[in-house]
Amino acid sequence: EVHLVESGGGLAKPGGSLRLSCAASGFTFSDAWMSWVRQAPGKGLEWVGRIKRKSDGGTTDYAAPVKGRFTVSRDDSKNTLYLQMKSLKIEDTAVYYCSTNIGDYWGQGTLVTVSS
Amino acid sequence: DIQMTQSPSSLSAYVGDRVTITCRASQTISTYLNWYQQKAGKAPRLLIYAASSLQSGVPSRFSGSGSGTDFTLTISSLQPEDFATYYCQQTYSPPRSFGQGTKLEIK
Repeated sequence: EVHLVESGGGLAKPGGSLRLSCAASGFTFSDAWMSWVRQAPGKGLEWVGRIKRKSDGGTTDYAAPVKGRFTVSRDDSKNTLYLQMKSLKIEDTAVYYCSTNIGDYWGQGTLVTVSS
Repeated sequence: DIQMTQSPSSLSAYVGDRVTITCRASQTISTYLNWYQQKAGKAPRLLIYAASSLQSGVPSRFSGSGSGTDFTLTISSLQPEDFATYYCQQTYSPPRSFGQGTKLEIK
């Protein structure tokens, strides 16, 4: 059974940093393109970024609001996806979900709150 | 970037009704479109991929159609568990934008 479990959320100050992790199991993680999607309180879904599998170059793409501040990475030896967030803004407050790029599997989400 | 526009933003219907939600892309995306269902406090659930392919385990009352810029999600006979928010997402090119969502409520 596929499981995606996010962790690392919490409270951060504006301008601060946070790293989210997503532990994957039940499928061949190294073969999967993976994505991060967020949802601000009471708002819709917003695509954040993705990373391709290493055999496809392992390259990343980002949404404009996070480009240059957020970095998606992966450790295939640990079956783990990461989202490094820097220069956090109040508007980054959201539940952050990891998902397979296809969209067929999602984690339960982790809440990031950016507040002074 | 590709913009996705859903309509309506909200919809009230009865159990047993047939419901259609539309999604329009700002440029052609062929059939690179997913539909999701999200219930409060839960992660999204993939319903339809490639515009019209039913995800495994999803009831057959859900169907999708369209190509190019115009797409529809149809629920043939609403069940109580279908009341939720629905999102389209283009998977043609990054950033893989979502529609703003359609909240389906019980009338």
